[in-house]
Amino acid sequence: GAVVSQHPSRVICKSGTSVKIECRSLDFQATTMFWYRQFPKQSLMLMATSNEGSKATYEQGVEKDKFLINHASLTLSTLTVTSAHPEDSSFYICSAPDWTGSRYEQYFGPGTRLTVT
Amino acid sequence: QQQVKQSPQSLIVQKGGISIINCAYENTAFDYFPWYQQFPGKGPALLIAIRPDVSEKKEGRFTISFNKSAKQFSLHIMDSQPGDSATYFCAATATGNQFYFGTGTSLTVIP
Repeated sequence: GAVVSQHPSRVICKSGTSVKIECRSLDFQATTMFWYRQFPKQSLMLMATSNEGSKATYEQGVEKDKFLINHASLTLSTLTVTSAHPEDSSFYICSAPDWTGSRYEQYFGPGTRLTVT
Repeated sequence: QQQVKQSPQSLIVQKGGISIINCAYENTAFDYFPWYQQFPGKGPALLIAIRPDVSEKKEGRFTISFNKSAKQFSLHIMDSQPGDSATYFCAATATGNQFYFGTGTSLTVIP
């Protein structure tokens, strides 16, 4: 199946700083990527849909100025957490859908554990 | 509004037993129903998926049963093993659109 990578896998930052997380589709092109946030023992919460060449679409309640998304190319989307605070600590996961013949499937990255101190 | 409802929240099964996780949906436009397996600290991985034109799909020890009229689908893990201990998420989507996830089931298989 298709492979999606994320970098970094873990990051610790100080409160007030910004952190950038990269999401790459390694063997396919993705005009759309999704960013999720996952709290411990909970489901994935869709934060935003990243669209190559246009603005991201944010879910209700997600601050677009705090979570900046840039879909720079057909294989790269970045999520920047600006002015991070401890409550932003979470597991962030990206995914990208891909068509395999007539099959539409979504492939997830390995996730990024963000800890804000 | 939860588009996909999943139960149970947690499940404990003896090694060799059958694990069953259930999901229900409302949107009849959904046409693709995958199951994902997630280990702690890792991203979800596609396990098995089904489309509504079939009522069952089997891959190894994993089987999806699909009931279109009831708008329900379930994952059966036969001969459950300790290595199957993970969190399982069902999902649904209308092809080309956003995926909606269930709330997850934490499965523990006791040796």
